[in-house]
Amino acid sequence: GAVVSQHPSRVICKSGTSVKIECRSLDFQATTMFWYRQFPKQSLMLMATSNEGSKATYEQGVEKDKFLINHASLTLSTLTVTSAHPEDSSFYICSARGQADWGEQYFGPGTRLTVT
Amino acid sequence: GQNIDQPTEMTATEGAIVQINCTYQTSGFNGLFWYQQHAGEAPTFLSYNVLDGLEEKGRFSSFLSRSKGYSYLLLKELQMKDSASYLCAVRDSNYQLIWGAGTKLIIKP
Repeated sequence: GAVVSQHPSRVICKSGTSVKIECRSLDFQATTMFWYRQFPKQSLMLMATSNEGSKATYEQGVEKDKFLINHASLTLSTLTVTSAHPEDSSFYICSARGQADWGEQYFGPGTRLTVT
Repeated sequence: GQNIDQPTEMTATEGAIVQINCTYQTSGFNGLFWYQQHAGEAPTFLSYNVLDGLEEKGRFSSFLSRSKGYSYLLLKELQMKDSASYLCAVRDSNYQLIWGAGTKLIIKP
């Protein structure tokens, strides 16, 4: 199956700083990438959908100026959490899909963000 | 609105069989997925159903009835490592995945 990587796997940052998370599709071209957030014992919550070369589409309630998404190439998308606060501490997971809308989504291993 | 329902938690015994149900109401249907998620890890793909019927893959099987808006995941010969959350997701008419809240499966010896 296709492989999606995320970096870093864990990050601890101070309140007010920014953190960048990278999501890479290693062996396929990801036309569409999805960013999810998951709080403990809760289900996945879609934050935004990004298509290569286009602006991301954010879900209702997700601040686009706080969660900056860049999908500059077919193998890389980045999520930057700006001015992080403790309530942003969560498990962030990306997934990638190839060119077909009906294609399978492949998940990255996730990034555990802790804001102190 | 779109809605996916699955039980919050289930308990089963090692070696036994367990069935996790999922009912859905979505705007359109382009397939149903089951994912397994261990604590602290990302989901991993288990199965995909787009036509009615049973899909079998080793110890895991998944069933779909589109007319009833219903699916189940059947796990046989349960092992301790099967303790995880199982997520049901439906792809809607816009090819977006709509996620259920997940079913936490606890396996007891």
